[in-house]
Order: sequence, then structure tokens, then C-alpha cells
Amino acid sequence: ETGVTQSPTHLIKTRGQQVTLRCSSQSGHNTVSWYQQALGQGPQFIFQYYREEENGRGNFPPRFSGLQFPNYSSELNVNALELDDSALYLCASSPTTGGRNTGELFFGEGSRLTVL
Amino acid sequence: DAKTTQPNSMESNEEEPVHLPCNHSTISGTDYIHWYRQLPSQGPEYVIHGLTSNVNNRMASLAIAEDRKSSTLILHRATLRDAAVYYCILRARAGTGNQFYFGTGTSLTVIP
Repeated sequence: ETGVTQSPTHLIKTRGQQVTLRCSSQSGHNTVSWYQQALGQGPQFIFQYYREEENGRGNFPPRFSGLQFPNYSSELNVNALELDDSALYLCASSPTTGGRNTGELFFGEGSRLTVL
Repeated sequence: DAKTTQPNSMESNEEEPVHLPCNHSTISGTDYIHWYRQLPSQGPEYVIHGLTSNVNNRMASLAIAEDRKSSTLILHRATLRDAAVYYCILRARAGTGNQFYFGTGTSLTVIP
């Protein structure tokens, strides 16, 4: 069973640029959520995708957007990067069956974004 | 937003029990209480979760106060591998999905 994988593991961007982060969910998991973790802080919920649609969103501006693909993999896109966007971005997958999610998240190791 | 508060850090001797407290006074009736832990350079790992009743699994026990405004994660015998940041989290329903509200976590040090 393959776990959650994220790419790239590290990247450096400059202010104003755009970035795309990718996530492959654990086998059989159809729900994907994204989190931003600043240094020394707990992860902050960005949004969640189920059946290729966003079905939950945290307190993040519209320049944070995402996609989920038919194979359940997902992308996080951030436009107009700001210095404060520097963080570890975590992807988590979980199974949803019969409209009910188990609530147990399986996290990847994250993508470390540095904005200069 | 639902929020949790935890002590910043705690220490425990190896092979002794550890009680990690969490306050969540704004919890709503449908919010689940989850605990995850995070080792350095890794993503968080699920530990346990519950709604109203106390829960036990192979990793830990979760004790939930009767008014649900606080909970305690219990590690029965701390090992060096249990050294991590422990997050107490509220899981709120959001449409057909969930939203997880992480706190700042408790950094647990296990002393040999």
C-alpha cells in the first residue's frame, strides 16, 4: 500500500510568482485536504476536496486554489506569492464511504516552500 | 472557529505514564476530538479520536470530560519514540467533509 506522496519536497520562489504543489493520495482514499504549517506552529486547514470538488475551506484568500483529479490526486496552487506564504504545505488523504468520512487523516511529509 | 489550547511543552521519564491536557471550551455538540503527533521532518500521525466517551487503542487512551470542554491524552508507558509534538484537534463537519482545527501543540520530551 502506497502512502501519501508530495512533490516537490523543497522549492524556492520569489514574491509575486505562482507555485503548484502536488499530492498523490493513499490507495483507495478519495478525500484530500491541504494544510499550511508555518515554522513552530500547528497546521492550518486550507481546503478539502472530495469527488473533484472543494467541500470545505479554511480562512485562506482566493489566491490559494486547488484541484482534485479522477484518480484522487490533488494540486494546490498559490498565486501572487507573499513572504508569509513561506511554510510547510501538508497534504492529507482519507477515505469517504457512503458520504461519511472516517476522520482519520494520513499525511504526506510535506512540501517546504520558501518565498524570497 | 473552534479552538484548542495546550501547554507548550511537557517532560516525562521513560516508561512512566504521560497525561497531555487540552482545553476546548468552544466545542460544539458535533465536533470530534482528535489527537495527532508529529515527529521532526514528518507529517502528523493519527493517534486517537473520540466524541463523548473515553476511548482506548493500541497507542493511547483518550479521556473526555463530561462537559466535553477538555480532554486528556494518556500514554501509558512513554518511550523515547513517543517524543514528538502532540496536537489536540477539533474536527467540525463542513458540508460532506470535515475541517480540522489544530492548536499549537505540546512538545513532549521523554527523558531516558
